[in-house]
Amino acid sequence: DSGVTQTPKHLITATGQRVTLRCSPRSGDLSVYWYQQSLDQGLQFLIQYYNGEERAKGNILERFSAQQFPDLHSELNLSSLELGDSALYFCASSDSRDGPSGNTIYFGEGSWLTVV
Amino acid sequence: AQTVTQSQPEMSVQEAETVTLSCTYDTSENNYYLFWYKQPPSRQMILVIRQEAYKQQNATENRFSVNFQKAAKSFSLKISDSQLGDTAMYFCAFSVAGAGSYQLTFGKGTKLSVIP
Repeated sequence: DSGVTQTPKHLITATGQRVTLRCSPRSGDLSVYWYQQSLDQGLQFLIQYYNGEERAKGNILERFSAQQFPDLHSELNLSSLELGDSALYFCASSDSRDGPSGNTIYFGEGSWLTVV
Repeated sequence: AQTVTQSQPEMSVQEAETVTLSCTYDTSENNYYLFWYKQPPSRQMILVIRQEAYKQQNATENRFSVNFQKAAKSFSLKISDSQLGDTAMYFCAFSVAGAGSYQLTFGKGTKLSVIP
């Protein structure tokens, strides 16, 4: 158990709909990362938040957005869903402080999204 | 931009034998971190081992060890005494130190099958 909690584990929804994925980081970790894993694109970095603020942005579509709340949990919002958005969405966390452990990222179990 | 290449899409090894998974990367950075993650059929991403680029000594974790060749930009993973539970996808990943964002760049993975 990595200590990173994601809900829901599985989600099936229709095209055009909107869903929210939720993540609680490991205790003490200030950074939350979102990754998408699909068959054709592999593991893609979407976005990172650090202590409530956006820190880095990767290949995140405009239809997707995220935020990190004061209690450090994060939500990834996916809207106007398309069939190609079906994927495994990982949340990960790290403490992002300098030092041996700050750079290590720990992953949750992922949220399986199926768009039909 | 950093890239990570895993040239072996699939590999197999007999139980109790040793196997080496290859990874090369490309970066202009001097200070960075390298990781191997394991993704078993459950799809959870599990950290196997980590290497800091400034350390010449190769990292080891029980049956797992790396051969880090900085000049060649090579980072291979050796699994000794392979066990059935080692069957998984193995991803090599890279992150740049500093700036508080340790987002990972992943290779496409190597599917390892341990044969009884």
